[in-house]
Amino acid sequence: EDQVTQSPEALRLQEGESSSLNCSYTVSGLRGLFWYRQDPGKGPEFLFTLYSAGEEKEKERLKATLTKKESFLHITAPKPEDSATYLCAVQAYRSGSNYKLTFGKGTLLTVNP
Amino acid sequence: NAGVTQTPKFQVLKTGQSMTLQCAQDMNHEYMSWYRQDPGMGLRLIHYSVGAGITDQGEVPNGYNVSRSTTEDFPLRLLSAAPSQTSVYFCASSYSGRQGMGGYTFGSGTRLTVV
Repeated sequence: EDQVTQSPEALRLQEGESSSLNCSYTVSGLRGLFWYRQDPGKGPEFLFTLYSAGEEKEKERLKATLTKKESFLHITAPKPEDSATYLCAVQAYRSGSNYKLTFGKGTLLTVNP
Repeated sequence: NAGVTQTPKFQVLKTGQSMTLQCAQDMNHEYMSWYRQDPGMGLRLIHYSVGAGITDQGEVPNGYNVSRSTTEDFPLRLLSAAPSQTSVYFCASSYSGRQGMGGYTFGSGTRLTVV
């Protein structure tokens, strides 16, 4: 069974204070690891897909990295508008059902001005 | 291009009532799915479809039915609502194959309360 564990559950930062969110996963045959952002009252919004250990992707103040056991979402000099819940999900290679995502419970990030 | 449209946004049901949550996408995505999101539980897969006429169960399918008669629509039916089905429901879609690795597109959700 695929498992995704995110930590911390909640993180409060001051504006400009860089930090990282963690996503540990267990999956037999990783097809991809996904990061999403979710604002209150809205559906998750896609950020990144990572495919193999060592891969990195960046978007504005966000940088996602991947190892064989975990992924990190680094936030550099965050701003209040980066406040959201960040979700991690994995997709495994499986015959007939390659599309299912297993999600973690998310990290609620609050950035204070 | 509206993306994924879910209706209604809010619904209150009495125990035992039935209803259908609507989901439509205009991106010609093959894959569609329904998730429920509960506090402390994360997103859990209810049912999914890899194309018109093909559906399968996810992690928490009991009490829900789906059908996929067209590429665009994927309704979720609650057969006899129970308080345990109080949740926020999200519909999501994506391309299949390598294109699908660009991530799901989610709807804005339906907040359901069963009393």
